[in-house]
Amino acid sequence: NAGVTQTPKFQVLKTGQSMTLQCAQDMNHEYMSWYRQDPGMGLRLIHYSVGAGITDQGEVPNGYNVSRSTTEDFPLRLLSAAPSQTSVYFCASSYSRAGGVFTEAFFGQGTRLTVV
Amino acid sequence: QQPVQSPQAVILREGEDAVINCSSSKALYSVHWYRQKHGEAPVFLMILLKGGEQKGHDKISASFNEKKQQSSLYLTASQLSYSGTYFCGTGVGAGSYQLTFGKGTKLSVIP
Repeated sequence: NAGVTQTPKFQVLKTGQSMTLQCAQDMNHEYMSWYRQDPGMGLRLIHYSVGAGITDQGEVPNGYNVSRSTTEDFPLRLLSAAPSQTSVYFCASSYSRAGGVFTEAFFGQGTRLTVV
Repeated sequence: QQPVQSPQAVILREGEDAVINCSSSKALYSVHWYRQKHGEAPVFLMILLKGGEQKGHDKISASFNEKKQQSSLYLTASQLSYSGTYFCGTGVGAGSYQLTFGKGTKLSVIP
């Protein structure tokens, strides 16, 4: 049981390059999300999805795109990388229980991205 | 708007107790607590729902005061393994899938 898998673990990009961070979960969770973590800032929500074909913006969406074509995958695309996007990115998944409250978030191991 | 966690950092000796607080300016429905060790992913500790529920897991427990929009995490008889950064995440509605995390509280337990 792999849980939430993120690739790559490390990445260095040049300013202006684009790339896709991959996230896959094998728990059939309907809810998936992307966070960025910067020193002293905690986890900030970038985008989230409540099911295949449904995505929405979080707190810091600018410069990022997402799509959710399947329940399992939720890739995050950086359109034109900037040094301000240097961060650690976490993907998470969870499911809702009766009453609509969603349960614990299962986090991937993170992608450490450096933009130079 | 991020919930406010206090203290920002705390150092304990093994066996001592600690309390970490999480306050929000918004009406809350749920509070989640996670612990993250250096270089690792956050790991779930517990969820508290509107209703003043208190939960416990081994020697770690938490409370939720919905009137004050506050939650507190209690760590008793701390162990070295408790070291890490603790985050609270707040949800504002039963159907809300968005969690807003605080900036974290760094807990260091020393022998």
